[in-house]
Amino acid sequence: GNSVTQMEGPVTLSEEAFLTINCTYTATGYPSLFWYVQYPGEGLQLLLKATKADDKGSNKGFEATYRKETTSFHLEKGSVQVSDSAVYFCALKVTGGGNKLTFGTGTQLKVEL
Amino acid sequence: GAGVSQTPSNKVTEKGKYVELRCDPISGHTALYWYRQSLGQGPEFLIYFQGTGAADDSGLPNDRFFAVRPEGSVSTLKIQRTERGDSAVYLCASRLGGGAETQYFGPGTRLLVL
Repeated sequence: GNSVTQMEGPVTLSEEAFLTINCTYTATGYPSLFWYVQYPGEGLQLLLKATKADDKGSNKGFEATYRKETTSFHLEKGSVQVSDSAVYFCALKVTGGGNKLTFGTGTQLKVEL
Repeated sequence: GAGVSQTPSNKVTEKGKYVELRCDPISGHTALYWYRQSLGQGPEFLIYFQGTGAADDSGLPNDRFFAVRPEGSVSTLKIQRTERGDSAVYLCASRLGGGAETQYFGPGTRLLVL
């Protein structure tokens, strides 16, 4: 079956620190990969996505590269801000699956001044 | 434009009761999804509608759970004989359809079964 594994949180960083949140996946078929973000008190929002190997998704200073050889889609940001504090979910979708998403357990990020 | 809305935002019920959760998708979106998010977990797929029909209900945990979308827009998730283990946040998402990939999520309904 399909599954997503994320590093456990919470991750606590100082403002302007470098962020990496690891995500690896197992999928039957060739998945598209996503990062969703959930800010406090808000719904899930798509942060970025990549649909094929070696694609890089990027948005709001966040990046993730689809690595087929390591089945990974790690999220990175060069300099985090307090406003980036949220829960981040890695997810996948396989072709022909009706676009249903399989999510990881989420990683909480706390950024402090 | 308006996003996905869900009502109620919170629902407290007693074990054994029946509940209905409503989802209003983004206008024009043909695909609609229900997910369940337990505390400390990621959302788990329940059911997917394409238009009025349930195209995939493989995520429904048992026959106490049922969902409808009679006119291809609003959807209702129905839970019979609720159990304490049903307590979770129920999320709805909609997608434009066709080749569009992005799902847009609502704020969720937090269900607490006492």
